[in-house]
Amino acid sequence: AQTVTQSQPEMSVQEAETVTLSCTYDTSESDYYLFWYKQPPSRQMILVIRQEAYKQQNATENRFSVNFQKAAKSFSLKISDSQLGDAAMYFCAYRSEVGSNYQLIWGAGTKLIIKP
Amino acid sequence: GAVVSQHPSRVICKSGTSVKIECRSLDFQATTMFWYRQFPKQSLMLMATSNEGSKATYEQGVEKDKFLINHASLTLSTLTVTSAHPEDSSFYICSATIGGGYQETQYFGPGTRLLVL
Repeated sequence: AQTVTQSQPEMSVQEAETVTLSCTYDTSESDYYLFWYKQPPSRQMILVIRQEAYKQQNATENRFSVNFQKAAKSFSLKISDSQLGDAAMYFCAYRSEVGSNYQLIWGAGTKLIIKP
Repeated sequence: GAVVSQHPSRVICKSGTSVKIECRSLDFQATTMFWYRQFPKQSLMLMATSNEGSKATYEQGVEKDKFLINHASLTLSTLTVTSAHPEDSSFYICSATIGGGYQETQYFGPGTRLLVL
């Protein structure tokens, strides 16, 4: 069974600086998808970025980028120019390509604090 | 696009009553809808997977008779907590999938906070 591990329960960063959130996963599959979701205090889950395992190029979305290391089974999220609105819980998630329904397997989350 | 709504956003009920939570995909037809439960400061716990027109698939440990799921159309799924008790108090979140294959992504509703007195 696949597992997702986020080893940082909490991270803090100064506004305008860069922070990296860690995520590792365990799988025997070769094709899968990885996601970072953000959950602000409103508790609305928001998709931040996704990565297909077959793509070598790291995904980027404006200030958000990932460092995907397939061999190491690592999928870290880098937030550049941190803003106060980035404060939230961040969840890493894994989705298999095999089978139907495409359930997500979730990490425990990292609370990101932005210091003004 | 890809907006998912949930209703109600918050509900308080007495022990022993039933509560229905609606999940709607507003601008797309959802292949599949998922129901999650989230305890404070914890990750999401998948309760069940719901496909339109078929019975929901429940995760191990989730009582089917307690958490009734009806997926009446491609845009609506409902979760009914029957005979609610204080231990059912939690934050319930639904999600809906859009696209297919590698494009498939889950989009989430804003959640429903249930408090059972």
